[in-house]
Amino acid sequence: GAGVSQSPRYKVAKRGQDVALRCDPISGHVSLFWYQQALGQGPEFLTYFQNEAQLDKSGLPSDRFFAERPEGSVSTLKIQRTQQEDSAVYLCASSLRGGSNQPQHFGDGTRLSIL
Amino acid sequence: DAKTTQPPSMDCAEGRAANLPCNHSTISGNEYVYWYRQIHSQGPQYIIHGLKNNETNEMASLIITEDRKSSTLILPHATLRDTAVYYCIVRANSGSARQLTFGSGTQLTVLP
Repeated sequence: GAGVSQSPRYKVAKRGQDVALRCDPISGHVSLFWYQQALGQGPEFLTYFQNEAQLDKSGLPSDRFFAERPEGSVSTLKIQRTQQEDSAVYLCASSLRGGSNQPQHFGDGTRLSIL
Repeated sequence: DAKTTQPPSMDCAEGRAANLPCNHSTISGNEYVYWYRQIHSQGPQYIIHGLKNNETNEMASLIITEDRKSSTLILPHATLRDTAVYYCIVRANSGSARQLTFGSGTQLTVLP
């Protein structure tokens, strides 16, 4: 389909390992968002890109979290030296343009489990 | 962004209309009301949004009170597949993209 695609769907890693999560937004969408969703809670904002520019990273919980979108399309969220509290579902969303009248469309997320 | 208040859970009989309320008494004049839903193990799904006027699309209707302090999402003929957590979100009207701030939502259970 033409929706937001995230991979892998599930990721299990040992504490201390680095992980990389991929997001393919809807083609042509300028804005891209990453969210983190803990079990039983609503998604929480991590970071936002407009094209290749990272305009807001205020939600990243620590400097172990790093996101990039080098060509303004695919984005990768990297977590270094993972810890158990990083276990969550990581959601990616994209919207056609900037502006709050543009709905965000979400992928089904990557479920990350840190052992 | 203004805070929203939703009941934690609701039940609805299959085939009946589901009316999900949301209070947003501190909403300002330039803030949109958005509704999303999240079915288990899936990402949030956009349903509808509005500013002042009532809105309708193929999924639902959004009724916003005249003072804009509350709204209701209406699913006209609920099916079992509409069982999900429904989130009401108020989002500032900004020329730059803004993140969504999710609350706890309403768990809607459609009963056979």
